[in-house]
Amino acid sequence: ELKVEQNPLFLSMQEGKNYTIYCNYSTTSDRLYWYRQDPGKSLESLFVLLSNGAVKQEGRLMASLDTKARLSTLHITAAVHDLSATYFCAVDNQFYFGTGTSLTVIP
Amino acid sequence: EPEVTQTPSHQVTQMGQEVILRCVPISNHLYFYWYRQILGQKVEFLVSFYNNEISEKSEIFDDQFSVERPDGSNFTLKIRSTKLEDSAMYFCASTLGREAATGTDTQYFGPGTRLTVL
Repeated sequence: ELKVEQNPLFLSMQEGKNYTIYCNYSTTSDRLYWYRQDPGKSLESLFVLLSNGAVKQEGRLMASLDTKARLSTLHITAAVHDLSATYFCAVDNQFYFGTGTSLTVIP
Repeated sequence: EPEVTQTPSHQVTQMGQEVILRCVPISNHLYFYWYRQILGQKVEFLVSFYNNEISEKSEIFDDQFSVERPDGSNFTLKIRSTKLEDSAMYFCASTLGREAATGTDTQYFGPGTRLTVL
């Protein structure tokens, strides 16, 4: 069974700080997706990464993909409170989701 | 902006009862999906549907589950005999296509139906 693991599971960080969320997956996948979920809400697509070395950025979030290491990262730059949410990665046509990382940004 | 809608927002049912969850995907989308999320846990894929057929399904999607597109707009998930462990948030999603390179596989999720089985 394909496994998708994220760490950390919970992250509390101060505004203005930088941090990285990691997504490891256990088998080859030609694409990787990142989603955001606000508490009690649905999922919002953030990024799709298609190839080794792919990097995408949107505002304070930057995602990258290393297919050889089966690793994707979501880097948060100068966090703000509005980024507080749970972030999920997903692989294999979005059929396998990671465990999620619950991010809380503290003023 | 077009959006995926789901009804009801919350469904409470007794164990053993049948439930039907409804979704209206974005009108020009061709691929439809159901996911579930048990409270506080990860999102789990159930089934994908294209051209009036199931394309893929997970191990969770057993004989108790079925999907249907009864008309040109609705996409439904039926659970025949609900169990306590079926309690979860159920999300519907739709995509225009399946090509990541062109972005047609971007999933648009509905707001979800919270199913509570007593």
